[in-house]
Amino acid sequence: DAGVIQSPRHEVTEMGQEVTLRCKPISGHDYLFWYRQTMMRGLELLIYFNNNVPIDDSGMPEDRFSAKMPNASFSTLKIQPSEPRDSAVYFCASSFGINYGYTFGSGTRLTVV
Amino acid sequence: KQEVTQIPAALSVPEGENLVLNCSFTDSAIYNLQWFRQDPGKGLTSLLLIQSSQREQTSGRLNASLDKSSGRSTLYIAASQPGDSATYLCAVSVTDKLIFGTGTRLQVFP
Repeated sequence: DAGVIQSPRHEVTEMGQEVTLRCKPISGHDYLFWYRQTMMRGLELLIYFNNNVPIDDSGMPEDRFSAKMPNASFSTLKIQPSEPRDSAVYFCASSFGINYGYTFGSGTRLTVV
Repeated sequence: KQEVTQIPAALSVPEGENLVLNCSFTDSAIYNLQWFRQDPGKGLTSLLLIQSSQREQTSGRLNASLDKSSGRSTLYIAASQPGDSATYLCAVSVTDKLIFGTGTRLQVFP
């Protein structure tokens, strides 16, 4: 298995633009997580899905953020409109479940100018 | 609310030393604890996973212990090498979620 695949690796966009981050989890994993990492706040859970259904989105900072998982092999995290304070590294992770480890993707480094 | 703290925040040691990294958590109701390594500008690599019923796990030069009742875990690195330089993160599994610690940045110099 190629692991958790995220795209793009880097994204630079102007304030106000829409940004879409993509994630392909490991095949067979029932859980998918979106995390954000910043120097100030470390790793924060934004939202997670179980069997393609959003379970907990309490970490999503604002209505500008939305996430979808239309099928078991694909998820998106969208920011619209983007702001400079959204600059961070966004990680996707997947897992078989609570008794199993998590596998992380390589992340997307987002810079909003 | 579960809080995870790691001490020290940074550590710089000469090659060959045995190291202990500490992780503490406030709520002992965890399902498991996982240690990760993160190289600069890279993603997270899983090192060890300890289930709540286990006391320790070993992989090569790494040994992780878990004392759930006291809310503590340690990561022991034997005979450290420059290639071990990275940030080490512990994370506890609470319901379906993984809550991360603040990390320990390790530098091993030749």
